[in-house]
Amino acid sequence: ETGVTQSPTHLIKTRGQQVTLRCSSQSGHNTVSWYQQALGQGPQFIFQYYREEENGRGNFPPRFSGLQFPNYSSELNVNALELDDSALYLCASSPRRTGGDTQYFGPGTRLTVL
Amino acid sequence: SQKIEQNSEALNIQEGKTATLTCNYTNYSPAYLQWYRQDPGRGPVFLLLIRENEKEKRKERLKVTFDTTLKQSLFHITASQPADSATYLCALDMRYGGSQGNLIFGKGTKLSVKP
Repeated sequence: ETGVTQSPTHLIKTRGQQVTLRCSSQSGHNTVSWYQQALGQGPQFIFQYYREEENGRGNFPPRFSGLQFPNYSSELNVNALELDDSALYLCASSPRRTGGDTQYFGPGTRLTVL
Repeated sequence: SQKIEQNSEALNIQEGKTATLTCNYTNYSPAYLQWYRQDPGRGPVFLLLIRENEKEKRKERLKVTFDTTLKQSLFHITASQPADSATYLCALDMRYGGSQGNLIFGKGTKLSVKP
């Protein structure tokens, strides 16, 4: 088990609603990345936060936004939910933003949009 | 844009045999390539990382190779066990220095090891 925790575990929303997902990074890690994993697919990068600033973004629309707090925990917010947003949302923390180190993933939040 | 392919969606082997999983990518070689294991409903777990100037890396029963000429990585599990059954993900580590890179994942290969 990694030290990364995510809440909630499962969530059901309807189209058009908004959702906030939370992540606590492993102790000592200042970088948090969020990924979306649809069924049968690999994780897709949404964005990364480093010391409370966005440090890179994947091909996701602006209705996906995030925050990182001084304790390096993070939130992912999704507005105007669409059916295709149904997926497993994964948070990963690492001790630095540079390459060549391990990303420690949390267990994920399963979001279902009806 | 960079694309990554894991050749088999599923691989079934007998216990005790060696499982070999393939990861191919297009365009330029990443500085690092990583392999993860994912069990159903769980987050990926890091297994091995290999650098572009390394040909091979080993950890217990696991071995990874990285051929930047072929743009391919092979992942081997020797003496496979039913507990090795899981989905294995290959990821290109596009993070260079302080750049705004990220991990690009393949779809994964679902390995089933039969007793």
